[in-house]
Amino acid sequence: AIQMTQSPSSLSASVGDRVTITCRASQGIRNDLGWYQQKPGKAPKLLIYAASSLQSGVPSRFSGSGSGTDFTLTIRSLQPDDFATYYCLQDYSFPYTFGQGTKLEIK
Amino acid sequence: EVQVVESGGGLIQPGGSLRLSCAAPGFIVGSNYMSWVRQAPGKGLEWVSVIYSGGSTYYADSVKGRFTISRDNSKNTLYLQMKSLSAEDTAVYYCARDIIGCSGGKCPYYYYGMDVWGQGTTVTVSS
Repeated sequence: AIQMTQSPSSLSASVGDRVTITCRASQGIRNDLGWYQQKPGKAPKLLIYAASSLQSGVPSRFSGSGSGTDFTLTIRSLQPDDFATYYCLQDYSFPYTFGQGTKLEIK
Repeated sequence: EVQVVESGGGLIQPGGSLRLSCAAPGFIVGSNYMSWVRQAPGKGLEWVSVIYSGGSTYYADSVKGRFTISRDNSKNTLYLQMKSLSAEDTAVYYCARDIIGCSGGKCPYYYYGMDVWGQGTTVTVSS
């Protein structure tokens, strides 16, 4: 199975900051990667698909990039609603695999 | 409204079996790709299984041979039959709709992610 390694595992930031979360695949996965946001006690929410395509209804301050093995999720100008845990998911091959998550906390 | 609603979770003894259900009032389960994802207490997300609209199924290595994904088109419901359960299967189980695209007759050709999720159903395996 393809291993997905996210970094950092946790991150403290302030409202208005720009933050970047990275995800590295154990082998090349083209651009077959999505990003999900999860808040405590809630279901995950799709943010980005195909590495860089913004899901409908997701604010434009979220962006994704990367291809092959290295990917990033960037949140420009953090808002209070953005403090959550973020996961990447490779959909290149089965079994699909998530990264271990990055918890974004308020500084 | 497009939504999915899971049910069937509960407390089950190790070695037991349980069937989870996922109803989808706002769309046709049989025309979509549908997944199960789980989350153990305090842990991250784990992809479990998917069923294609054509019926193909795929599983995580951790559940292969023990879990079976299926659907009943007449009830517009997705299922996850789980057997030989152990404590490691304790988790919230989410049902989700996968969005795919086709090209040149090949499906899936594009994958757009899991766009509709339920609230989850909790499975606790304990004696």
